[in-house]
Amino acid sequence: DTEVTQTPKHLVMGMTNKKSLKCEQHMGHRAMYWYKQKAKKPPELMFVYSYEKLSINESVPSRFSPECPNSSLLNLHLHALQPEDSALYLCASSQGPSGVGYTFGSGTRLTVV
Amino acid sequence: AQKVTQAQTEISVVEKEDVTLDCVYETRDTTYYLFWYKQPPSGELVFLIRRNSFDEQNEISGRYSWNFQKSTSSFNFTITASQVVDSAVYFCALSGYNNNDMRFGAGTRLTVKP
Repeated sequence: DTEVTQTPKHLVMGMTNKKSLKCEQHMGHRAMYWYKQKAKKPPELMFVYSYEKLSINESVPSRFSPECPNSSLLNLHLHALQPEDSALYLCASSQGPSGVGYTFGSGTRLTVV
Repeated sequence: AQKVTQAQTEISVVEKEDVTLDCVYETRDTTYYLFWYKQPPSGELVFLIRRNSFDEQNEISGRYSWNFQKSTSSFNFTITASQVVDSAVYFCALSGYNNNDMRFGAGTRLTVKP
């Protein structure tokens, strides 16, 4: 299995909702990442988990809360989002430092209404 | 700080033309990794190549080739005999050796017309 699976593929949520994005990989990768990509922009790093510990938080607002329950799963909990948070959210994983095997999921397209 | 510059915002070519996408990077790391990704309209990021800073050999994969020049901090990507299916946004990216992060350039939107 050489894939990173993200669910759901599309999500529409209101500003008062709480929702979660899920990411799963079974490649034995020990680093997992969340990126945010706005339309016509490059992906921007949000969070990095290394060996299930949060190692990088790129000053992301607290309405985004990551969680890594185990080495195969990565969640992004969403609460009280704003319309400007609408974007493609990409999950990725790699074997560890150096980005060996860096693999992206197909993303969750989030719309906040 | 790490930075990747893709100066070409958009490129349009006619099918069968060759096209080169430029990538210039900045890093203080002595060991680092460079990547190219393709993002078609469907949105997924497709891995094309990963190159470490110790390996300056150019690489060819079918119609794709990459020219890594450490002296000019460039990692350019050439598509030979372009095809309509090559139309996509192409991102160059940089990762430090001991940092679990990857920074992307702004991307180059390539349109190949029939």
